[in-house]
Amino acid sequence: GAVVSQHPSWVICKSGTSVKIECRSLDFQATTMFWYRQFPKQSLMLMATSNEGSKATYEQGVEKDKFLINHASLTLSTLTVTSAHPEDSSFYICSARVGTVSNQPQHFGDGTRLSIL
Amino acid sequence: DAKTTQPNSMESNEEEPVHLPCNHSTISGTDYIHWYRQLPSQGPEYVIHGLTSNVNNRMASLAIAEDRKSSTLILHRATLRDAAVYYCILPSRGSNYKLTFGKGTLLTVNP
Repeated sequence: GAVVSQHPSWVICKSGTSVKIECRSLDFQATTMFWYRQFPKQSLMLMATSNEGSKATYEQGVEKDKFLINHASLTLSTLTVTSAHPEDSSFYICSARVGTVSNQPQHFGDGTRLSIL
Repeated sequence: DAKTTQPNSMESNEEEPVHLPCNHSTISGTDYIHWYRQLPSQGPEYVIHGLTSNVNNRMASLAIAEDRKSSTLILHRATLRDAAVYYCILPSRGSNYKLTFGKGTLLTVNP
């Protein structure tokens, strides 16, 4: 149980285009979803937290107009990287959690490797 | 928010037990202890979590010190597939219990 599906697994696109990444909780309803970014040889960095039906909360230094997050249902959240540039190339990972208390673990997708040419 | 300290790396032999330590001396009474691991080129995977008592699941065991200032993740019989970076995390109170990933412990399993 607790499977999170992330799509696509990898994407290569030209500079200036927008890319949408989907994150789905397949067998549970996710009150809260998270988006992370991971650069090579580094640890995961949280970008934003989204609760279903609410606006996302972005971490300091993350541009909310560049990284658009939508969490319209309890099983789907999307991250859109707008006007992507080579410095946005990274490994993007989503996670989902049931409830809002610390005893509930997060379940992660397999990540999306984004390469901007 | 409480911080955790883990060794940068550890090495084990296949089919032997592995004890991965974590210090969290500033833990509060309501902080849960979470463990995740990340295999190369994959998203992290939830391993186990606990509050006060020792916990067991199909993947591992979590031993929590009586004063809760440290914990140990126990892999009973390491396999090559257990080679990963292991993260010990205390979800942040007051911030939607978000997870802050440190550098974790890189576990190498020798055949």
